[in-house]
Amino acid sequence: NAGVTQTPKFQVLKTGQSMTLQCAQDMNHEYMSWYRQDPGMGLRLIHYSVGAGITDQGEVPNGYNVSRSTTEDFPLRLLSAAPSQTSVYFCASSYFAKSSEDEQFFGPGTRLTVL
Amino acid sequence: GEDVEQSLFLSVREGDSSVINCTYTDSSSTYLYWYKQEPGAGLQLLTYIFSNMDMKQDQRLTVLLNKKDKHLSLRIADTQTGDSAIYFCAENNFNKFYFGSGTKLNVKP
Repeated sequence: NAGVTQTPKFQVLKTGQSMTLQCAQDMNHEYMSWYRQDPGMGLRLIHYSVGAGITDQGEVPNGYNVSRSTTEDFPLRLLSAAPSQTSVYFCASSYFAKSSEDEQFFGPGTRLTVL
Repeated sequence: GEDVEQSLFLSVREGDSSVINCTYTDSSSTYLYWYKQEPGAGLQLLTYIFSNMDMKQDQRLTVLLNKKDKHLSLRIADTQTGDSAIYFCAENNFNKFYFGSGTKLNVKP
């Protein structure tokens, strides 16, 4: 198993550009989520999904869109990048959050800089 | 959102015990977690505790939960230099995970 994979590892954008951060898992997990990590602020939930076709907002959803057309993939789209979106982005998955002694598996992260 | 708080730094000597503390706000959280993050990597689950437990021990790790005070702690016995990392506590509330800001543990040889 590859686990949770994220691409790209690094990205530099100009203000106003759009892009998609890719996340995939091969563990047949129902639950997938996106976080951003900023210094001194821990991880904050952006969006999450409890299964294909179902997504919901987390703490900081503004400026981001997600979709979940398959169990494996959960892309995060930045519609019009802003410097405030400079951060490290982590994707995570687990079998299902509600029965959560289930471990969340984290991807290696994408470091995004918006100029 | 929920408020999960941790102190930012902890420095200990190799062989000592480390205690990392966390306070949380949501008493309905079913599970509370400790994650470890090494430099340049994602988070890795260390241990978790169910909310009806007071204590859980897992080898060198001991988790204490004071539900009345909404206080969670992680004790690492015989701390090693390889334990140097950032430690996050987290709570799970209806499919949403809330993380603390992380405690950076520095282990001096």
